[in-house]
Amino acid sequence: GQQLNQSPQSMFIQEGEDVSMNCTSSSIFNTWLWYKQDPGEGPVLLIALYKAGELTSNGRLTAQFGITRKDSFLNISASIPSDVGIYFCAGGTGGGNKLTFGTGTQLKVEL
Amino acid sequence: DAGVIQSPRHEVTEMGQEVTLRCKPISGHNSLFWYRQTMMRGLELLIYFNNNVPIDDSGMPEDRFSAKMPNASFSTLKIQPSEPRDSAVYFCASSTGQGNEKLFFGSGTQLSVL
Repeated sequence: GQQLNQSPQSMFIQEGEDVSMNCTSSSIFNTWLWYKQDPGEGPVLLIALYKAGELTSNGRLTAQFGITRKDSFLNISASIPSDVGIYFCAGGTGGGNKLTFGTGTQLKVEL
Repeated sequence: DAGVIQSPRHEVTEMGQEVTLRCKPISGHNSLFWYRQTMMRGLELLIYFNNNVPIDDSGMPEDRFSAKMPNASFSTLKIQPSEPRDSAVYFCASSTGQGNEKLFFGSGTQLSVL
């Protein structure tokens, strides 16, 4: 099935650094969501975006719904060790609640 | 809220055996989804239900896979007969079904078919 492309595929950063990752698609989506997955667990919803251009924050996390509706961005400020995990974007078309998931960005934080 | 509950957490079986995975969605949620996650293919939607009715099963890989939702609080995903290539983590997720598309996932079942 279709997948959204996320970049970078993985990143290794120092504690305290800011992190940026993005998600792109060849198709338009009406909804963008960002999830985080810890080892051995299911994805956990971080942020949901519903309008093109929307910028939404959740603590140290900020996500944006791209104006073209074909991309989204997630920023994490002042990273901490518990930010380690795999971050997935997901796009929705608004009908039937079906989501298409990205390929994931693995984040590793060095103390 | 207990969240989405899946069982078992781990399943190891031999090729050819029947496997049944179980899911209890969040109470009050009207939509239920089964996903499969592998390193090669990422998260794939297998099937989803709205109000206990299967809406889209186009992601089910083949006839060996079947899913049921006999009531609003229970769903099963069955593989019969199982094959080694079915080894993956299977997630169940639920949502309110009101169009906000916020899916809440269970902890998954790690399936290993030997």
